[in-house]
Amino acid sequence: QKEVEQNSGPLSVPEGAIASLNCTYSDRGSQSFFWYRQYSGKSPELIMFIYSNGDKEDGRFTAQLNKASQYVSLLIRDSQPSDSATYLCAVQPNSGYELNFGKGTSLLVTP
Amino acid sequence: DGGITQSPKYLFRKEGQNVTLSCEQNLNHDAMYWYRQDPGQGLRLIYYSQIVNDFQKGDIAEGYSVSREKKESFPLTVTSAQKNPTAFYLCATQGTLTDTQYFGPGTRLTVL
Repeated sequence: QKEVEQNSGPLSVPEGAIASLNCTYSDRGSQSFFWYRQYSGKSPELIMFIYSNGDKEDGRFTAQLNKASQYVSLLIRDSQPSDSATYLCAVQPNSGYELNFGKGTSLLVTP
Repeated sequence: DGGITQSPKYLFRKEGQNVTLSCEQNLNHDAMYWYRQDPGQGLRLIYYSQIVNDFQKGDIAEGYSVSREKKESFPLTVTSAQKNPTAFYLCATQGTLTDTQYFGPGTRLTVL
């Protein structure tokens, strides 16, 4: 079974702080990694994807990948109340097109 | 207006009924997927299709059926054999040159 693990949270951070969301995966051959944001009652929307070890920055978001340790993280700088949502980590295995999703981490940014 | 549409947004079903959820896309994407999401759970793959007239079972296909007669459409039928169909159903697409999946707005199915 190809597992993707996330802490369910809730992770609570004050407005303006850095939120750090973590994800580990079991399939060492995984190639592609995605972060989706899902507001309550809505469908997931893509925030970032990362393929290579290291950091990838896009505005206030930074994705970090460490394939040796099999973890991927998402940093949100200058967190805003509008960032309050569930963040889903998704991993594409080496074989196959489908994505394996974690259960998500609930983030609450307090004013 | 491009994108992925799912209908209906809300669907109520009596026990023993089959219902069909619609998913349509005009993104010209080859691959389409159906996921189910339960409260506090991640997305679980029901079926997927990479080309017209071909589809594969996902992790939880029992009690569901699909068809892919057109590139734009991938309807999902929830049959009476599905024991716990109440859930949020999400359709996603994926282009040929990318492994990124994009989601439709979802259909919330409730069994009465």
